[in-house]
Amino acid sequence: DGGITQSPKYLFRKEGQNVTLSCEQNLNHDAMYWYRQDPGQGLRLIYYSQIVNDFQKGDIAEGYSVSREKKESFPLTVTSAQKNPTAFYLCASSPEQGSNQPQHFGDGTRLSIL
Amino acid sequence: GENVEQHPSTLSVQEGDSAVIKCTYSDSASNYFPWYKQELGKRPQLIIDIRSNVGEKKDQRIAVTLNKTAKHFSLHITETQPEDSAVYFCAARGGSNYKLTFGKGTLLTVNP
Repeated sequence: DGGITQSPKYLFRKEGQNVTLSCEQNLNHDAMYWYRQDPGQGLRLIYYSQIVNDFQKGDIAEGYSVSREKKESFPLTVTSAQKNPTAFYLCASSPEQGSNQPQHFGDGTRLSIL
Repeated sequence: GENVEQHPSTLSVQEGDSAVIKCTYSDSASNYFPWYKQELGKRPQLIIDIRSNVGEKKDQRIAVTLNKTAKHFSLHITETQPEDSAVYFCAARGGSNYKLTFGKGTLLTVNP
């Protein structure tokens, strides 16, 4: 979906380093989400946000942090506390949290350890 | 919380055959069930979804059925083509927190 832009496409993290993944949407969606995808694991929810300046932990939030200062932006920081960060990270958005409307995904960021 | 089980994990069919992927969910209050297709290295894309007030939905070669009593839903692809080869994910939206919980995916291979 052209309305959700994730950057960078590939990212490398050094030991002890924090890195930030960008997610921007121009769909005017209220809700935004971050998922982590590992081979054979499906998509697991890290954090989600229903409105600006509000966000909740998902199922695997430890070692991650987010902010939602603007409606269109929901950056994810992978901190040094996340000991196994290598994965494919997907950002998604939907018109309204709780509405039965589909989530639309960005192209993802592949994070690897140097 | 919601738990979604998806079977099989891999499925190989001949071109032109049908493919069926099944999912079960645990939260009886779940009311929204999307299916996503993900090609290698790309984003998941919604292919069909169903809401709990409907038992079946079709879109050309793709159909989804929902059995609320048994808490399972299935994806049916007819007349499969090589371009249908991908990983398919089911998901369920729980009634209490509105989060989407995904199954672990099914790798579908359609052999020419």
